[in-house]
Amino acid sequence: GEQVEQLPSSLIVQEGASVLINCSYTDSASVYFPWYKQEPGKRLQFIIDIRSNMERKQNQRLTLLFDKKTKHLSLHITATQPGDSAIYFCSARNMGYKLTFGTGTSLLVDP
Amino acid sequence: DAAVTQKPRYLIKMKGQEAEMKCIPEKGHTAVFWYQQKQSKELKFLIYFQNQQPLDQIDMVKERFSAVCPSSSLCSLGIRTCEAEDSALYLCSSREGLGGQGTLYFGAGTRLSVL
Repeated sequence: GEQVEQLPSSLIVQEGASVLINCSYTDSASVYFPWYKQEPGKRLQFIIDIRSNMERKQNQRLTLLFDKKTKHLSLHITATQPGDSAIYFCSARNMGYKLTFGTGTSLLVDP
Repeated sequence: DAAVTQKPRYLIKMKGQEAEMKCIPEKGHTAVFWYQQKQSKELKFLIYFQNQQPLDQIDMVKERFSAVCPSSSLCSLGIRTCEAEDSALYLCSSREGLGGQGTLYFGAGTRLSVL
């Protein structure tokens, strides 16, 4: 089945810095890639997604890049704020129903 | 904002006891998923309901869990005999639409501790 890996597993940055979270998947049939954010004690929250017919998507300070050939995604967050501190999850879905989640990246933004 | 409600937030059971947790999906959502998350790591798929019917579940759920959605507004996940390895955050999520369409919305979870 599908496997989704994320790197790094954790990172600490100063407020205002940019961060890059990498995600790779194995199933070439995956077509939809939503990302979620999990703040301490809060529910998982959808933040951005991309489909396999796109290469780039931006939502305010978030930019998501997709490379179908290498089965790789990267989430770029600019001008980080303490409120961005959370665990970020990449996920992948094929034409079916099941989302496979990545291993998560824990981001801590120091004020 | 979409709201998936889960109860209780916390559950403490002794090994061998039964546990039950409930989920109220977002109104109008026909697909319901349960995931297990240990130590804030990746989410493990447990079971998927479409229009209240279970369409997919992992072996662990078939063997030791009980999961039903008796109505479109209530689902439950039970563990018949809790084991220490069942200690985890159980997340219920729902979305509208058949197949893979629609954003998945999550509840806050039920944190189960098995002593």
